[in-house]
Amino acid sequence: NAGVTQTPKFQVLKTGQSMTLQCAQDMNHEYMSWYRQDPGMGLRLIHYSVGAGITDQGEVPNGYNVSRSTTEDFPLRLLSAAPSQTSVYFCASSEGVGNQPQHFGDGTRLSIL
Amino acid sequence: GNSVTQMEGPVTLSEEAFLTINCTYTATGYPSLFWYVQYPGEGLQLLLKATKADDKGSNKGFEATYRKETTSFHLEKGSVQVSDSAVYFCALREGRRALTFGSGTRLQVQP
Repeated sequence: NAGVTQTPKFQVLKTGQSMTLQCAQDMNHEYMSWYRQDPGMGLRLIHYSVGAGITDQGEVPNGYNVSRSTTEDFPLRLLSAAPSQTSVYFCASSEGVGNQPQHFGDGTRLSIL
Repeated sequence: GNSVTQMEGPVTLSEEAFLTINCTYTATGYPSLFWYVQYPGEGLQLLLKATKADDKGSNKGFEATYRKETTSFHLEKGSVQVSDSAVYFCALREGRRALTFGSGTRLQVQP
């Protein structure tokens, strides 16, 4: 009963490095999204996808790229890491309709030095 | 746009005290409302939800009622336990959009 799986759980990067945060779900959910969580600010939406091949920007998309080649996977790419991207990142998935809750992964704690 | 406002924390209570965490929202349409809980070092877990006006969501002794007239969804529990210590997030979802979250309220329950 995996649900939403995020890897890695922890990562330290140097400024300017690139990396990909992985997210996979096994519930055949159409909808997937990435959030970042910063102290006192709740969760803010980075990017989301309503299905394979379809992505769109959220509230704070700058510095991040996403793609959705399959229903199961929704990776988040940092092209050139900056200290302002130090945060905890959560991936979530749900069925497409609005009255369905989103299911969250356990998060990736990312530090940019 | 949509927004969610929660009372600021931390909220510190003694075990068996009554809990209320206030949540109000602004939405352009008719959202579904959710409470999520985050225990230390973990992801968010759905606590309860309500999808239309006057619905009451409940789970693990927690309750919240969707009040359209006051645009509120306050979380309540009659008797808190130390194990309820966590951060609680109110959120709304409208149509196919992502969740909009409040800033979270930290609850600390002392024995």
